[in-house]
Amino acid sequence: GAGVSQSPSNKVTEKGKDVELRCDPISGHTALYWYRQSLGQGLEFLIYFQGNSAPDKSGLPSDRFSAERTGGSVSTLTIQRTQQEDSAVYLCASSLGRGGYEQYFGPGTRLTVT
Amino acid sequence: SQKIEQNSEALNIQEGKTATLTCNYTNYSPAYLQWYRQDPGRGPVFLLLIRENEKEKRKERLKVTFDTTLKQSLFHITASQPADSATYLCALAGDSNYQLIWGAGTKLIIKP
Repeated sequence: GAGVSQSPSNKVTEKGKDVELRCDPISGHTALYWYRQSLGQGLEFLIYFQGNSAPDKSGLPSDRFSAERTGGSVSTLTIQRTQQEDSAVYLCASSLGRGGYEQYFGPGTRLTVT
Repeated sequence: SQKIEQNSEALNIQEGKTATLTCNYTNYSPAYLQWYRQDPGRGPVFLLLIRENEKEKRKERLKVTFDTTLKQSLFHITASQPADSATYLCALAGDSNYQLIWGAGTKLIIKP
């Protein structure tokens, strides 16, 4: 079956512009996660969604970042007024549930803010 | 606060030898520990999961141990091959948590 997909694969934007990153999780996965990874660094948790529960936004670095998940499936991460420090790879993952289940990652979106 | 430590320096191993990677954690009692592989430019790929009541788990050339007393997991790759070269991440989770706590990863280089 299809894995997690993300689009676009690469995005170059000018400082101050807004960007939207999309994630299509594996069908039937109730949990969806967004992470950020800077070059040579580990995964930085941003936000996760679980079913119809309120999302855990505790990892979002500022109020310029927001995310939504429509119909329990597709998710969009929006970064407003982008800054150069937002440049990173943004990874999406989905899972069947809690920590006893593995996470399946998409290929990521490489964001470059010039 | 919860903390995971993995060797920050790259691990160089000769082809055919066993590679052993370490994951230590503090201030946490995980119910599960997971290992992932990440290749450059790609998302992590799940390898193995071990539960707190399991001492050891094997999958082909991979073996994971979990010592809740030492708060440590060891990840072994036997008969290592250059294709095993990648960054390996460990991650912890509680029984009721959806979030995983991630280590920064260890880069493994297998030399022919």
